[in-house]
Amino acid sequence: GEDVEQSLFLSVREGDSSVINCTYTDSSSTYLYWYKQEPGAGLQLLTYIFSNMDMKQDQRLTVLLNKKDKHLSLRIADTQTGDSAIYFCAETGENNRLAFGKGNQVVVIP
Amino acid sequence: GAVVSQHPSRVICKSGTSVKIECRSLDFQATTMFWYRQFPKKSLMLMATSNEGSKATYEQGVEKDKFLINHASLTLSTLTVTSAHPEDSSFYICSARSGAGFDTEAFFGQGTRLTVV
Repeated sequence: GEDVEQSLFLSVREGDSSVINCTYTDSSSTYLYWYKQEPGAGLQLLTYIFSNMDMKQDQRLTVLLNKKDKHLSLRIADTQTGDSAIYFCAETGENNRLAFGKGNQVVVIP
Repeated sequence: GAVVSQHPSRVICKSGTSVKIECRSLDFQATTMFWYRQFPKKSLMLMATSNEGSKATYEQGVEKDKFLINHASLTLSTLTVTSAHPEDSSFYICSARSGAGFDTEAFFGQGTRLTVV
């Protein structure tokens, strides 16, 4: 089954880069996702990566996938105050379901 | 992006009563809807997957008779928490997809904070 783990808290200064890590155990995952949850708001899909890719860049976001180690990371360049949120990685498992990690709270210090 | 509306955003109910939460896709047809439960400082736990016109597929450990899910149309799914107890207090979130592909984005509702007293 799916088992996604994440670290919990990261504080970063505005303008610096932030990196969030995630490990997963389901090697059959086809897509892996990064979602953002702002206070009082729903989840927003930030980006996703297909399992046969190693890297995907989307503006300030860079996703790295190490399929051998089942490790996924999200790098946010030039972190801004609006990036303060909880970030979840997620993976597809059986039956097209989405399984989520615990969430990683990012606090951006001005 | 597409909009998923969840209602109510907050509800307080007495122990033993039932509560219905609605999830609507406002500008697209949701062939698949997901219901999640989020505990404090914890991840989203998938409760069930609902396909329009068919019975929901529940995750292991989720009581079907307690958490009734109905997906009667392509724009509406409901979750009814029956005979609610304080341990059912949680944050419930729905999600909707317009297709079955893995790359079809899932859009999330704002969530419902349920408090059972």
